[in-house]
Amino acid sequence: EAGVAQSPRYKIIEKRQSVAFWCNPISGHATLYWYQQILGQGPKLLIQFQNNGVVDDSQLPKDRFSAERLKGVDSTLKIQPAKLEDSAVYLCASTSLDGKNDEQFFGPGTRLTVL
Amino acid sequence: GDSVTQMEGPVTLSEEAFLTINCTYTATGYPSLFWYVQYPGEGLQLLLKATKADDKGSNKGFEATYRKETTSFHLEKGSVQVSDSAVYFCALSDQGGSEKLVFGKGMKLTVNP
Repeated sequence: EAGVAQSPRYKIIEKRQSVAFWCNPISGHATLYWYQQILGQGPKLLIQFQNNGVVDDSQLPKDRFSAERLKGVDSTLKIQPAKLEDSAVYLCASTSLDGKNDEQFFGPGTRLTVL
Repeated sequence: GDSVTQMEGPVTLSEEAFLTINCTYTATGYPSLFWYVQYPGEGLQLLLKATKADDKGSNKGFEATYRKETTSFHLEKGSVQVSDSAVYFCALSDQGGSEKLVFGKGMKLTVNP
């Protein structure tokens, strides 16, 4: 079974530029999460989708971050414009249909460096 | 809001040493508790979990018991190996909410031969 795929694996941009990350969850997983992991900290949830609907985006900085999952499968996370403090690893995770106590499977992450 | 506090490292042990990583939590409901591990160059993966009080999760020689009275979920292993070198994260999931994971800061473990 293929795991959660993410691309790119690394990205370096300058502040005020825009960037997009892509995630393809495990086939059949209806729930998809984006987490931000700043160096030295644990991952923090940015947004959760159930199919193509948003369940929780309370910690997403909506003035600069956006995410979509148009067909309920893969998802993109965008930052525009980027700030220095956005330097982090962005993790995508997915879980099966009901999401209750099911294991979240994580992708390898995208490491973003903002200069 | 919900939070997780875990022992911070880094920690260096010799092979076959005993390992304990402390983890305590704050939650309004009755969360599920998890330990995730991140091996060098790899993604986060679930090590073990417990969904209710007094449950014991175990995997790969690691164990942790859900202690509601002390709001703790300490990770233990009796004899670590070099291959256990990784970053360990304690986490909780709010059963009554969106099932998002709330993580501790992580602890880096290095095991020397």
